[in-house]
Amino acid sequence: DTEVTQTPKHLVMGMTNKKSLKCEQHMGHRAMYWYKQKAKKPPELMFVYSYEKLSINESVPSRFSPECPNSSLLNLHLHALQPEDSALYLCASSPGFGGPEGTQYFGPGTRLLVL
Amino acid sequence: LAKTTQPISMDSYEGQEVNITCSHNNIATNDYITWYQQFPSQGPRFIIQGYKTKVTNEVASLFIPADRKSSTLSLPRVSLSDTAVYYCLVGNGGGGSQGNLIFGKGTKLSVKP
Repeated sequence: DTEVTQTPKHLVMGMTNKKSLKCEQHMGHRAMYWYKQKAKKPPELMFVYSYEKLSINESVPSRFSPECPNSSLLNLHLHALQPEDSALYLCASSPGFGGPEGTQYFGPGTRLLVL
Repeated sequence: LAKTTQPISMDSYEGQEVNITCSHNNIATNDYITWYQQFPSQGPRFIIQGYKTKVTNEVASLFIPADRKSSTLSLPRVSLSDTAVYYCLVGNGGGGSQGNLIFGKGTKLSVKP
């Protein structure tokens, strides 16, 4: 299995809702990532997990809360989002860090709309 | 963190060879150069990675001069389906380096019939 899967594909939520995005990989990768991508912009790094521990948080607002329950799963919990948080949320994984080990495999993304 | 500079856009025709150059003047000794392709509303897809000289795989070639301050992605005989945004990332991901995780603005390649 060489895929990164993300669910749901699309999500519409109100500003008072709580929702979660899910990402899964079964490639035995030790690093997992969340990116946010606005229309016509490059992906922006949000969080990095290494061996199931949060290693990088790019000053992301606390209304985004990542969780890594095990080495195959990565969640992004959403609460009290703003309309400007509407974007494509991408999950990625890599075997490790550095050089070829750092090559990232991306999921198809979750298209989020906050009303 | 090695900053990358690419052309914002390029146009080509089907069957032509396309070369996209990325400048990375402050590349570090341990940094690798990685290229990704992204179609609209999809996740980026790894194309090729290199450290020095030339790397070739089934879809592209990557040329890296001796000073490694730039690199060129070469796509042979492009087709309409190669229309996408191409990103060059530079870094090694080790020791806290995040260069290989930071996407620049990318190059939007448009292939015409």
